[in-house]
Amino acid sequence: NAGVMQNPRHLVRRRGQEARLRCSPMKGHSHVYWYRQLPEEGLKFMVYLQKENIIDESGMPKERFSAEFPKEGPSILRIQQVVRGDSAAYFCASSRDRGQTYEQYFGPGTRLTVT
Amino acid sequence: AQTVTQSQPEMSVQEAETVTLSCTYDTSESDYYLFWYKQPPSRQMILVIRQEAYKQQNATENRFSVNFQKAAKSFSLKISDSQLGDAAMYFCALTLVYGQNFVFGPGTRLSVLP
Repeated sequence: NAGVMQNPRHLVRRRGQEARLRCSPMKGHSHVYWYRQLPEEGLKFMVYLQKENIIDESGMPKERFSAEFPKEGPSILRIQQVVRGDSAAYFCASSRDRGQTYEQYFGPGTRLTVT
Repeated sequence: AQTVTQSQPEMSVQEAETVTLSCTYDTSESDYYLFWYKQPPSRQMILVIRQEAYKQQNATENRFSVNFQKAAKSFSLKISDSQLGDAAMYFCALTLVYGQNFVFGPGTRLSVLP
């Protein structure tokens, strides 16, 4: 039973480019959560999605960041016009049902470096 | 809103000894879960132990145990017989029973000395 998968594991982008991070939840899970970890800090919640719906995006920066979880395929976190401050590790987690955050399983993360 | 605080940025322990990592939190809710996660250099988030707030008994997982003081809103992690592989960042986290996300503390970096 494959766990939460994220790709790429490492992503390098120049300032101004777009970054696309992908997350495939565990089999049977339809809820996805994205977190960002800045260097030497804990994880910070960004957005919570169910298939085809954004449930809570209270942690998302207002500009340049967007997320989606289509009916088919992985969840995508998109960062447009990246800046150096976007360099961080981005983690995805998934759960089977809504409200079951205590059963969230984390992926290995994507480390984004902006040069 | 929920907050989680870890007041020890770094800790060290001698191999085979015992170490305790501190965590305090704040929430106005009565139903929640508390967690300790380990993050080794690989950056994978590994669940160490979980505590349901409604349970008075402290959770234990092999060499890892917690001291959960609900009234004091304290949730410390004790690692017994420390091993070199225990060296990592340790994060304390909280989620409400019907919440939608984890709230993490800033982490404690644990070094294990041979």
